[in-house]
Amino acid sequence: SQQGEEDPQALSIQEGENATMNCSYKTSINNLQWYRQNSGRGLVHLILIRSNEREKHSGRLRVTLDTSKKSSSLLITASRAADTASYFCATDGSTGGFKTIFGAGTRLFVKA
Amino acid sequence: EPEVTQTPSHQVTQMGQEVILRCVPISNHLYFYWYRQILGQKVEFLVSFYNNEISEKSEIFDDQFSVERPDGSNFTLKIRSTKLEDSAMYFCASDVLNYGYTFGSGTRLTVV
Repeated sequence: SQQGEEDPQALSIQEGENATMNCSYKTSINNLQWYRQNSGRGLVHLILIRSNEREKHSGRLRVTLDTSKKSSSLLITASRAADTASYFCATDGSTGGFKTIFGAGTRLFVKA
Repeated sequence: EPEVTQTPSHQVTQMGQEVILRCVPISNHLYFYWYRQILGQKVEFLVSFYNNEISEKSEIFDDQFSVERPDGSNFTLKIRSTKLEDSAMYFCASDVLNYGYTFGSGTRLTVV
């Protein structure tokens, strides 16, 4: 399976702290994406990082990709209570197919 | 900001009945997807659709499922004879070309 698997499964931090979530996957990829899902709602695209990129930033988000280790990390700096959500990594396959597979997600809880 | 619109937001149906879930993707997007999420579980890929045909489908997407883009704007998922285990949130998504999916808010399907 090419699924990404997130680690940890759950994370609880204080507002203002940084949150780091990791994702590992099994097969070669063209790109890796991170999404956020608030409880019972749709998924919101955060960042897409391509296989030839090592790091990408968007506001308080920083994503790294290590294709040699087949892993990625999502760092949220200066977290806020509103960042409380589930975070998923999602990987495509390098075969050119149109299928993105989601991991099980990390549930982040930011305490005010 | 452009949105993917899904209707209805919640559908209750009797086991064995047919349901049609509707989606209006973003107008200039070319790739369309259906995913589902059983309560508390992973987001699972069902099917991708490009150039008026299915590009890929998962093992979940059996003969009971079908997709259509009948009029160039709507994208529908039909389940012919619903089962209890089809109860889930169904998410539609669209994409230009691997820039990150835009998801709709989902349809909660409850089969009783």
